[in-house]
Amino acid sequence: DVKVTQSSRYLVKRTGEKVFLECVQDMDHENMFWYRQDPGLGLRLIYFSYDVKMKEKGDIPEGYSVSREKKERFSLILESASTNQTSMYLCASGQGVFGYTFGSGTRLTVV
Amino acid sequence: AQKITQTQPGMFVQEKEAVTLDCTYDTSDQSYGLFWYKQPSSGEMIFLIYQGSYDEQNATEGRYSLNFQKARKSANLVISASQLGDSAMYFCAMSAGYGGATNKLIFGTGTLLAVQP
Repeated sequence: DVKVTQSSRYLVKRTGEKVFLECVQDMDHENMFWYRQDPGLGLRLIYFSYDVKMKEKGDIPEGYSVSREKKERFSLILESASTNQTSMYLCASGQGVFGYTFGSGTRLTVV
Repeated sequence: AQKITQTQPGMFVQEKEAVTLDCTYDTSDQSYGLFWYKQPSSGEMIFLIYQGSYDEQNATEGRYSLNFQKARKSANLVISASQLGDSAMYFCAMSAGYGGATNKLIFGTGTLLAVQP
């Protein structure tokens, strides 16, 4: 069974901390995505990557960066966490007609 | 710019009845894909159905069908014979580029469906 694994289910961090959210997929997919989900706003794309070391900004990249050193791993980095980054973060991988597989999400609280 | 619009924040349906969840999209690309996902209260995102922009027939997957009207840029999800387990948030999504090359996958704001016994 295909899998996308997010390293933490729940995370609490302090304002100003550097935060790393990790995502690993075992399907050899080229495309990987990071979203944040907030009530009433749906899923908003932060960054996506279509190959190792390649990345593109999504709709809300401010305050975030990403890293993709290996094909299977896509990391989301909050350089200096702020309270408005409290949210559910979802990672996905996949392409086209075969659909996209999501991880179980990381609920991040910044205090 | 690409955009997905879901105008129904919430809906009720009686068990065993059919329900249609609306989705309209906007893109200047000729080649794109449309998806529906289900998110139950557990939070997992479950892929339901896919429609390619060049597909002439509406996609079907069991009780799910996608009513694709290209000229109107709509991709409504029809759930037949609703079940209590269908209660969930439903998201419409779009990816530009047939075959899903290096393109964004964007989502609408979702519709919360409640199935009543």
